[in-house]
Amino acid sequence: DSGVTQTPKHLITATGQRVTLRCSPRSGDLSVYWYQQSLDQGLQFLIQYYNGEERAKGNILERFSAQQFPDLHSELNLSSLELGDSALYFCASSGDTPTGELFFGEGSRLTVL
Amino acid sequence: AQKITQTQPGMFVQEKEAVTLDCTYDTSDPSYGLFWYKQPSSGEMIFLIYQGSYDQQNATEGRYSLNFQKARKSANLVISASQLGDSAMYFCAMRERYTGNQFYFGTGTSLTVIP
Repeated sequence: DSGVTQTPKHLITATGQRVTLRCSPRSGDLSVYWYQQSLDQGLQFLIQYYNGEERAKGNILERFSAQQFPDLHSELNLSSLELGDSALYFCASSGDTPTGELFFGEGSRLTVL
Repeated sequence: AQKITQTQPGMFVQEKEAVTLDCTYDTSDPSYGLFWYKQPSSGEMIFLIYQGSYDQQNATEGRYSLNFQKARKSANLVISASQLGDSAMYFCAMRERYTGNQFYFGTGTSLTVIP
């Protein structure tokens, strides 16, 4: 158990819909990262938050948005969903040093039909 | 330039043999960390091993060792005595202070252990 909690684990929805993925980081971790992994693909970095502020942005589509709340949990909002958005979405958290590993949640598997 | 390069999309190894998964990295930051993660078919990301840029000795964790060659900027993962359960995707990653402790992942190597 990494200590990172993601909900929901599985989600099936239709094109054009909007979903919200939720993440609670490991206790004490201020950084939250979101990654997208499409089928048989590597990890695509979407966005990072640190203590409520956006710190880095990767290849995140304009249809996607995220935020980190004062209690440090984070949400990733995906709107106007397309078939290509079907993927495994990981949340991860870490401490803020180069030596700290990234702790991954179990992922949220999104299927867009 | 790619921060992390994994040049082996797929590898095969006989059960009980050792296998080396290649990883090279690119950074000018003197302070960085190198990580390996395993992703089995079930999907979860499992942390395997960590090597710090100032560590003098290669990291080891059970059957996993990291062959750290700083001058060559390589951080190869060595799995000894391969088991069927080692069949998975393996990702090399780096974290550097210069970029706010960002993580950079390679594209992964798919390892298949043959009985």
